[in-house]
Amino acid sequence: SQQGEEDPQALSIQEGENATMNCSYKTSINNLQWYRQNSGRGLVHLILIRSNEREKHSGRLRVTLDTSKKSSSLLITASRAADTASYFCATDRGAGKSTFGDGTTLTVKP
Amino acid sequence: KAGVTQTPRYLIKTRGQQVTLSCSPISGHRSVSWYQQTPGQGLQFLFEYFSETQRNKGNFPGRFSGRQFSNSRSEMNVSTLELGDSALYLCASSLEGSGRGEQYFGPGTRLTVT
Repeated sequence: SQQGEEDPQALSIQEGENATMNCSYKTSINNLQWYRQNSGRGLVHLILIRSNEREKHSGRLRVTLDTSKKSSSLLITASRAADTASYFCATDRGAGKSTFGDGTTLTVKP
Repeated sequence: KAGVTQTPRYLIKTRGQQVTLSCSPISGHRSVSWYQQTPGQGLQFLFEYFSETQRNKGNFPGRFSGRQFSNSRSEMNVSTLELGDSALYLCASSLEGSGRGEQYFGPGTRLTVT
């Protein structure tokens, strides 16, 4: 089974609304990353948050990490149609492989 | 800087054949990781190469193999193809390696096995 699990599996919102997706994981990590994938294409790195950080911002993106709950959330503010994509969290335990969750499919309706 | 490139982008093969996929990392990156993405199993780690050595391996059968050259380019080979090998194969390059930070992904090779 995957280390990271995203929730919800699918999310549909209107342009201008905020989108929040969550990632839970099972074992301790060194860092956690969020990626975006447009339909059938490669993944684009969005943001990396280290285990000693609690919150990071990048443009309209806000990521939080709660290591006590083994969970992270990605907030996209003022969403646009171009944000329509699948979003994955990837957990890094160091000296090994990144483990990806199953992703959240976000649809932003114009 | 040029991004990660993968060739070919699309491939159709028959069961029992073998296939070789290629990945050129970002200049200066010594780590290349390979992933298989399918609707049923999601993104699964295949293996990682760093400075021509396989550093990590996922839970895939021995039919899946790879190598890395001195210029960091990597190839992945799948022998005796099965229908279930149909997938999007993604490679990712990084400075530090899988599990250590940000990875840059290529566009993928879409393999269809008939």
